[in-house]
Amino acid sequence: QVQLVESGGGVVQPGESLRLSCAVSGFTFSSFSMHWVRQAPGKGLEWVAVILYEGIHFRGSEYYGDSVKGRFTISRDRSRNILYLQMTSLRTEDTALYYCVRETNTPLGAFDGWGQGTLVTVSP
Amino acid sequence: QAGLTQPPSVSKALRQTATLTCTGNRNNVGDQGAAWLQQRQGHPPKLLSDRNNNRPSGISERFSASRSENTASLTITGLQPEDDADYYCSAWDSSLYAWVFGGGTRLAVL
Repeated sequence: QVQLVESGGGVVQPGESLRLSCAVSGFTFSSFSMHWVRQAPGKGLEWVAVILYEGIHFRGSEYYGDSVKGRFTISRDRSRNILYLQMTSLRTEDTALYYCVRETNTPLGAFDGWGQGTLVTVSP
Repeated sequence: QAGLTQPPSVSKALRQTATLTCTGNRNNVGDQGAAWLQQRQGHPPKLLSDRNNNRPSGISERFSASRSENTASLTITGLQPEDDADYYCSAWDSSLYAWVFGGGTRLAVL
């Protein structure tokens, strides 16, 4: 079955960096677009980034939410089935539970697989 | 990025029907529809309906989704205690090149 296991969260100070990982299993990793979605304590869901599936003719492209553009980088290691989120210049407003999410590989995709999340706390 | 609009809360009695709404614009909901997610307290979200209004395997027939122009709706019939949860809509915005979420609706089953 689809499994997504996040790790790498922790407590950091503003301006510091952190790298989140998501180990995936149960499906062909490179055939699916993968996302990071975050949820601040007591708040709603916020989309962070996507890395598109890798088709025959193109490498997966990445897109980012406005609040993280230029600071966060999403990537994947196909050989190890791991999704990453490199976070730099962290701010207090980046404090959230970060979910690794799979998107269905259908024409109108949706978020059909979620990990349990890893908590990032940015505090002075 | 502008998100989708959902009512913050809805309260309904057991066994009644609840209809939750999600309003966007022609670049997101009106373009490619919206998906619906349920999040119970302390758990990650779960997909209830994709952007074609189809239920994934294992999701009860009591959940049905539809769309009219820029507004998506999720109807839950025969409300049960386990339906007490937060519900989010999500859509791809073709002008922002970004995914957007609604702020979520807290459904209380009384």
